[in-house]
Amino acid sequence: IVLTQSPGTLSLSPGEGATLSCRASQSLTSNYLVWYQKKPGQAPRLLIYDAFTRATGTPDRFSGRGSGTDFTLTISRLEPDDFAVYYCQQFDYPPYTFGQGTNLEIK
Amino acid sequence: QVQLQQWGAGLLKPSETLSLTCAVYGEPFGGYYWTWIRQPPGKGLEWIGEINHTGSTKSNPSLGGRVTISVDMSVNQFSLKLSSLTAADTAVYFCASPAKPGRRRNGLLSWDQGTLVTVSS
Repeated sequence: IVLTQSPGTLSLSPGEGATLSCRASQSLTSNYLVWYQKKPGQAPRLLIYDAFTRATGTPDRFSGRGSGTDFTLTISRLEPDDFAVYYCQQFDYPPYTFGQGTNLEIK
Repeated sequence: QVQLQQWGAGLLKPSETLSLTCAVYGEPFGGYYWTWIRQPPGKGLEWIGEINHTGSTKSNPSLGGRVTISVDMSVNQFSLKLSSLTAADTAVYFCASPAKPGRRRNGLLSWDQGTLVTVSS
């Protein structure tokens, strides 16, 4: 399954809201879609699993939604620490592929 | 929560075999899907493969059958071998595990800090 994330880069200011998209090449029948935050030199941080469930410690400013082939990660009221690269990953079918990432940068 | 610590050679030559080992601390070893991920410089994340405590494995076909993942439950470790290396295999390699045993759908919660492996003649 190919996951396509858009946009490739998103330039926003702190306080604004962000919407990141992840589209699957075929339907994820179980909606096992995960979102991570990745910063340079660090391991990825798990944010969301099962498309919409926040992992422990994920602020409620982060929300996931979607099903089938279209998924979104929404971040409200961006804080400086939120600027990073975001990846989606699917666990419906092996190989458990990642999207190519969305770079959320400060405008 | 699982703690992971990885080690292995960081500089290899083309055609050689990468060998990395990841030690698991803090949780019982059994039941988890122990996973390898990599990130080439300037690129995105790539799922390499996984193994469980019984030795059942899955790997990414894009790596052309060059992947061997093994487990040693006696010392709570799992390992990755990647053969016939080329420069394209240069990447930061991570070992990781899901949040709960048997629950890869919950995403990869625990990660080590990653090891840069460079393939160069």
